[in-house]
Amino acid sequence: GAGVSQSPSNKVTEKGKDVELRCDPISGHTALYWYRQSLGQGLEFLIYFQGNSAPDKSGLPSDRFSAERTGGSVSTLTIQRTQQEDSAVYLCASIRGLMNTEAFFGQGTRLTVV
Amino acid sequence: EDKVVQSPLSLVVHEGDTVTLNCSYEVTNFRSLLWYKQEKKAPTFLFMLTSSGIEKKSGRLSSILDKKELFSILNITATQTGDSAVYLCAVVNTNAGKSTFGDGTTLTVKP
Repeated sequence: GAGVSQSPSNKVTEKGKDVELRCDPISGHTALYWYRQSLGQGLEFLIYFQGNSAPDKSGLPSDRFSAERTGGSVSTLTIQRTQQEDSAVYLCASIRGLMNTEAFFGQGTRLTVV
Repeated sequence: EDKVVQSPLSLVVHEGDTVTLNCSYEVTNFRSLLWYKQEKKAPTFLFMLTSSGIEKKSGRLSSILDKKELFSILNITATQTGDSAVYLCAVVNTNAGKSTFGDGTTLTVKP
């Protein structure tokens, strides 16, 4: 596609429910990153994929967070048993390859846990 | 652990002023430093810096990197209200290609 697409753009969920966030990277980009941004804060690294594998999962805040990527393209970030502190904007970025460094960001998913 | 510190955290200026935003970093195996502008949700790329002392310039924006002192600055001259945004600095580690972001500088330009 022309850019990185994320869905949904907004999600309001009840505490304790599971949510799934989707990212469609730019076609042909092999590297994909998930970040979280709380209000007024910088970007917090969550996980990155090179192809379908995730060499670095160190940023996932807890075992309630998981992510997968299939076909070297679409990625989903799943948050189980959501908590209020999970409320944030979740940003996805794709990069052509690890030898490139410019990241193209999606518009993000604003998650609100009530 | 890689670390990026930006200063100031916020800045309010008037149109026509010149501003300098700072980014200092600690990173193992430095590859590059990037500046992004974030107006609403998605950060948009401004500059990528890999070599010390070489200024990158785009219109009223310019940036330079000092790899010895481990910092970069982003200059904006003749600021306009449209420059109001959060400016993010990120460093990339060669080992993982992972970007570590600073908390950003919020710039507000008043008419």
